[in-house]
Amino acid sequence: DTEVTQTPKHLVMGMTNKKSLKCEQHMGHRAMYWYKQKAKKPPELMFVYSYEKLSINESVPSRFSPECPNSSLLNLHLHALQPEDSALYLCASSPDKGLAGNTIYFGEGSWLTVV
Amino acid sequence: DQQVKQNSPSLSVQEGRISILNCDYTNSMFDYFLWYKKYPAEGPTFLISISSIKDKNEDGRFTVFLNKSAKHLSLHIVPSQPGDSAVYFCAASRSGANNLFFGTGTRLTVIP
Repeated sequence: DTEVTQTPKHLVMGMTNKKSLKCEQHMGHRAMYWYKQKAKKPPELMFVYSYEKLSINESVPSRFSPECPNSSLLNLHLHALQPEDSALYLCASSPDKGLAGNTIYFGEGSWLTVV
Repeated sequence: DQQVKQNSPSLSVQEGRISILNCDYTNSMFDYFLWYKKYPAEGPTFLISISSIKDKNEDGRFTVFLNKSAKHLSLHIVPSQPGDSAVYFCAASRSGANNLFFGTGTRLTVIP
């Protein structure tokens, strides 16, 4: 089973709203990731959690706030977003960061539209 | 600076023929390479990978070849099927790091 589950699949929010994207994996993976993907572009890394600690923040604006409540869950809290933040947000996980042969598995993504 | 490049944005192939998707990289520290397939409105699906200690890895209809001296890898799909039509991303990583560097993708269309 290589399943990463993301909810919601679609989200429309206003620029003053507060919402959250959720991600879950039960593969025992110890690294979890948030990526952002715009149309016709490759995925861009936002955050990496390793053993439930934030290990990478790719200079992401503070209106995006990640949270890792436990080793199976990863949230992305959204507040005061801009229309240009509309994109597909991908959660991913891998057995361990930094090992050779570390395959990253992606969820199906959450489509976010900011109006 | 794009460290992983897929120079062909699109490729069309007849059903039953071979599809060859190419990828080049610039960072000699990369030691693990992956191919992902992506349908519209879905996340990337892992297809096949190869470690730098190998030059070929095969899984069913999919074979990945790695030429380290040329910093080039390719994905061969044979025989191609209409269900293979998707965007294919090449990605690379290195030991000790936890990011994947993606190419810009190649849209494969398999014509029935």
